[in-house]
Amino acid sequence: DTGVSQDPRHKITKRGQNVTFRCDPISEHNRLYWYRQTLGQGPEFLTYFQNEAQLEKSRLLSDRFSAERPKGSFSTLEIQRTEQGDSAMYLCASRGAISETQYFGPGTRLTVL
Amino acid sequence: GEDVEQSLFLSVREGDSSVINCTYTDSSSTYLYWYKQEPGAGLQLLTYIFSNMDMKQDQRLTVLLNKKDKHLSLRIADTQTGDSAIYLCAEDSSASKIIFGSGTRLSIRP
Repeated sequence: DTGVSQDPRHKITKRGQNVTFRCDPISEHNRLYWYRQTLGQGPEFLTYFQNEAQLEKSRLLSDRFSAERPKGSFSTLEIQRTEQGDSAMYLCASRGAISETQYFGPGTRLTVL
Repeated sequence: GEDVEQSLFLSVREGDSSVINCTYTDSSSTYLYWYKQEPGAGLQLLTYIFSNMDMKQDQRLTVLLNKKDKHLSLRIADTQTGDSAIYLCAEDSSASKIIFGSGTRLSIRP
């Protein structure tokens, strides 16, 4: 257990529905990241927050995706009008100001039927 | 662009050493990482190396870094069945993200 928690751990939804995932980082970490991992691939970067500011977004993050970190603590990732291609593991990570690495949560596995 | 490449599969006999190789593209990376991922589990940081080092040893794990060739390797001594997993190489290309390879699936033969 790295100290980063994600909820839910699994989500099954029907195509076209909206889903929201939550990430709680390690409490003193000011940087928070979202990644997506599909079968047979390594995690791919989606977006990055420093405190409450969203500083970078990958072009993988289409306009159906939105992420927030309103108070600089937990973060949410919402996917609107889900598609089957959104099925993946969504990983959250956090990093402190002087950490050498990011610490990953257990992930949320999304299945879109 | 940013890219991390590694071979997809490696099979070794139990008790032998495993060597997993990786190449990366961003010469400005500060840290290079090896993660372990088991089925249904999250990412476990195994070890990392600072870019100004060329070797790091941690119990059964040895990391070698050739910065000139942008080549990273992970050696696991005395490989055991519990080492079966996917090993992901990654580079810290900037403060904003880590770039991962696709992973090498290590399988252990009796």
